[in-house]
Amino acid sequence: KAGVTQTPRYLIKTRGQQVTLSCSPISGHRSVSWYQQTPGQGLQFLFEYFSETQRNKGNFPGRFSGRQFSNSRSEMNVSTLELGDSALYLCASSLGTLGMNTEAFFGQGTRLTVV
Amino acid sequence: QQQVKQSPQSLIVQKGGIPIINCAYENTAFDYFPWYQQFPGKGPALLIAIRPDVSEKKEGRFTISFNKSAKQFSLHIMDSQPGDSATYFCAADSNYQLIWGAGTKLIIKP
Repeated sequence: KAGVTQTPRYLIKTRGQQVTLSCSPISGHRSVSWYQQTPGQGLQFLFEYFSETQRNKGNFPGRFSGRQFSNSRSEMNVSTLELGDSALYLCASSLGTLGMNTEAFFGQGTRLTVV
Repeated sequence: QQQVKQSPQSLIVQKGGIPIINCAYENTAFDYFPWYQQFPGKGPALLIAIRPDVSEKKEGRFTISFNKSAKQFSLHIMDSQPGDSATYFCAADSNYQLIWGAGTKLIIKP
């Protein structure tokens, strides 16, 4: 059974640009959640999608957005990149929604560097 | 009320020692407490989890102790090995979201 796949693995962008990250969940999983991980801040929840609907959103500015497609694949977009957006972006998929005592399976992440 | 406070931030233990990582929460609606382990370059992976109706759960060398009245739970690693060196996250799950602790970077010295 294939795991969670995130693409690309590494990305370098310039301030002001926008970026789109992709996440393919485990087959059959309908929930995809996104996290930002930085060395000093741990795992910061961005948002969760379940069956193409955003179910929950963390405390991030509107520059961070996402969507989920009918096949459960999800994309995350960050517009007008800032240096502080440099981080590891992790995607997790689960069978049920977060908060339903369900295990979250993480991808290896996309390392975004903004210069 | 939605926070999960994790300590210590980092921990160095000799091989064979028993590192202990602690987490505390406020929201009594939390009903599921997982621990995730993350190795460098990898995403976190579920290690062990406990529900509040149980005071202790063991899986191999990993044990969760749960104190419902104190709203605290902790992870113990018995006979720790250098391969256990990783970052550990506790989390708390209510009926609508998963709240994460800040993480503990554990180093087991040979």
